[in-house]
Amino acid sequence: AQTVTQSQPEMSVQEAETVTLSCTYDTSESDYYLFWYKQPPSRQMILVIRQEAYKQQNATENRFSVNFQKAAKSFSLKISDSQLGDAAMYFCAYRQQYSAGDMRFGAGTRLTVKP
Amino acid sequence: EAGVAQSPRYKIIEKRQSVAFWCNPISGHATLYWYQQILGQGPKLLIQFQNNGVVDDSQLPKDRFSAERLKGVDSTLKIQPAKLEDSAVYLCASSLSAGFNEQFFGPGTRLTVL
Repeated sequence: AQTVTQSQPEMSVQEAETVTLSCTYDTSESDYYLFWYKQPPSRQMILVIRQEAYKQQNATENRFSVNFQKAAKSFSLKISDSQLGDAAMYFCAYRQQYSAGDMRFGAGTRLTVKP
Repeated sequence: EAGVAQSPRYKIIEKRQSVAFWCNPISGHATLYWYQQILGQGPKLLIQFQNNGVVDDSQLPKDRFSAERLKGVDSTLKIQPAKLEDSAVYLCASSLSAGFNEQFFGPGTRLTVL
């Protein structure tokens, strides 16, 4: 079974600095998707960034980028120029490319941004 | 474009009572998901619908949980009778199809069972 592990329950960053959130996963599949979701106190999960496993190039969305290491099964999220609005729970998630849809989530990392 | 709507936002019940949650997905989205998110954990899929048919309900506790999606649009999730361990946030999500890889989430319903 696929599992997703986020080993950092909490992280803290100074405003305008850079922070990296870690995620590892376990799978025997070769085709899959990886995601980072943000969940603010309002509870609404918001997609931050996604990566297709067949793409070697790391995904980037403005201040958010990932470091995808397929062989190591690692998928970290880097947030540059951190802003107060980035404070939230961040969840890493895995989904098989050809599955009906079951998305596996990690336990989450709570990010605090200090002014 | 309107997002995924859920109601109620909060619900407090006593154990052994029943409760129902409602979800209205984004218009045109064929696939609908219900997740359970226990405090301190990531969401766990309970059931997935494709239009009005169930695709995956392997993690749904069927002795007490039920869900339906009549007419392939709105969906309701019911718990009867509730247990203390059912206290969680129940998230609904939708996507254009099962093959499309982005799910859009609603704000969730926070259930407290006393």
